[in-house]
Amino acid sequence: NAGVMQNPRHLVRRRGQEARLRCSPMKGHSHVYWYRQLPEEGLKFMVYLQKENIIDESGMPKERFSAEFPKEGPSILRIQQVVRGDSAAYFCASSPGLAEQETQYFGPGTRLLVL
Amino acid sequence: AQSVTQLGSHVSVSEGALVLLRCNYSSSVPPYLFWYVQYPNQGLQLLLKYTSAATLVKGINGFEAEFKKSETSFHLTKPSAHMSDAAEYFCAVKGGGADGLTFGKGTHLIIQP
Repeated sequence: NAGVMQNPRHLVRRRGQEARLRCSPMKGHSHVYWYRQLPEEGLKFMVYLQKENIIDESGMPKERFSAEFPKEGPSILRIQQVVRGDSAAYFCASSPGLAEQETQYFGPGTRLLVL
Repeated sequence: AQSVTQLGSHVSVSEGALVLLRCNYSSSVPPYLFWYVQYPNQGLQLLLKYTSAATLVKGINGFEAEFKKSETSFHLTKPSAHMSDAAEYFCAVKGGGADGLTFGKGTHLIIQP
């Protein structure tokens, strides 16, 4: 059973470009979470999605950031007009169900560098 | 609101010595608590979790943690450190209807030979 997959693993963008990060959850998981990890910091929750629905985006910056989880295909975190402060590691996690004690399984992350 | 405090951003122990990583949480409801480990340039791997079934939780790689409600703590321990334990360790809490995990800032564990 493959784990959570993320690509690309590393992404370099210049200021003003767009970044697209992809996440394929574990087989059988329909709940996807995105987190951001800044240097020397813990992970910060960004958004929680189920298929075709954004359930909780309370941690998403109000501008330039968006996420989707279409019926087919991976979840996408999109950052428009990137700035240097967007440089971070972005992790995706998935879980099999809704229960609060459900374990979230993390992917290897995408490390975004904005020049 | 929930929060997690990990005391000590860096902890150094000798190989074979006891490992103790501290985690205190704040939650208005009974929480679910997790410890994750992160090796360099990798994702997070679950070590163990507390879900109210038992206060002493055993995890992988010889780690365990004890939930102490009176102290709002969930410290991680391992009797004998191994060089392969060198990594970043994160404590996290979930509960009260929050969808995401709330993480501490992490503790970098250094193992001295």
